[in-house]
Amino acid sequence: SQQGEEDPQALSIQEGENATMNCSYKTSINNLQWYRQNSGRGLVHLILIRSNEREKHSGRLRVTLDTSKKSSSLLITASRAADTASYFCATEDDSSYKLIFGSGTRLLVRP
Amino acid sequence: NAGVTQTPKFQVLKTGQSMTLQCAQDMNHEYMSWYRQDPGMGLRLIHYSVGAGITDQGEVPNGYNVSRSTTEDFPLRLLSAAPSQTSVYFCASSRSTDTQYFGPGTRLTVL
Repeated sequence: SQQGEEDPQALSIQEGENATMNCSYKTSINNLQWYRQNSGRGLVHLILIRSNEREKHSGRLRVTLDTSKKSSSLLITASRAADTASYFCATEDDSSYKLIFGSGTRLLVRP
Repeated sequence: NAGVTQTPKFQVLKTGQSMTLQCAQDMNHEYMSWYRQDPGMGLRLIHYSVGAGITDQGEVPNGYNVSRSTTEDFPLRLLSAAPSQTSVYFCASSRSTDTQYFGPGTRLTVL
């Protein structure tokens, strides 16, 4: 089974609202990453948070990591229609070089 | 830099045929990996490599072979194609398991 599981599977919001996506994982990790995918294209890296970090910001993105709960959240503030995409978390297991992806959250931002 | 390139973009095979999906990167990255993405799903790791001459299995390696004779190239071979291998295949590279750079993908249909 996949390491990361995103919640919710799908999210529909109005432009200007905030979008929050959650990711849970199972093993000890070195880092957790979030990626974005537009309609069947390749994934684009958004942000990386290391296991010794609790929060990180990049522009309108805010990521938190709780290693005790094995969970992370991605917050997109002031969403835009162009943010419509699928968002995936990926974790690097601390016992291997494997980067394992979750099942993704499909975000729809309505104009 | 061209980044990560994949060929072909589309391929249709008959059951039992073999083929090689090509992946190349010009960023001198040590880490390369192959993923498959089924409709509406996340990415599943097939094989990965941490450097020339070193490969290892991911989550779903059965039916696929890889080799890494150079830093730049990481081909994925389907030995005897099956309908269950119908998917979109993504190659990615990175300096480590930090930011992954993805290719545009190969859409494979096995009849």
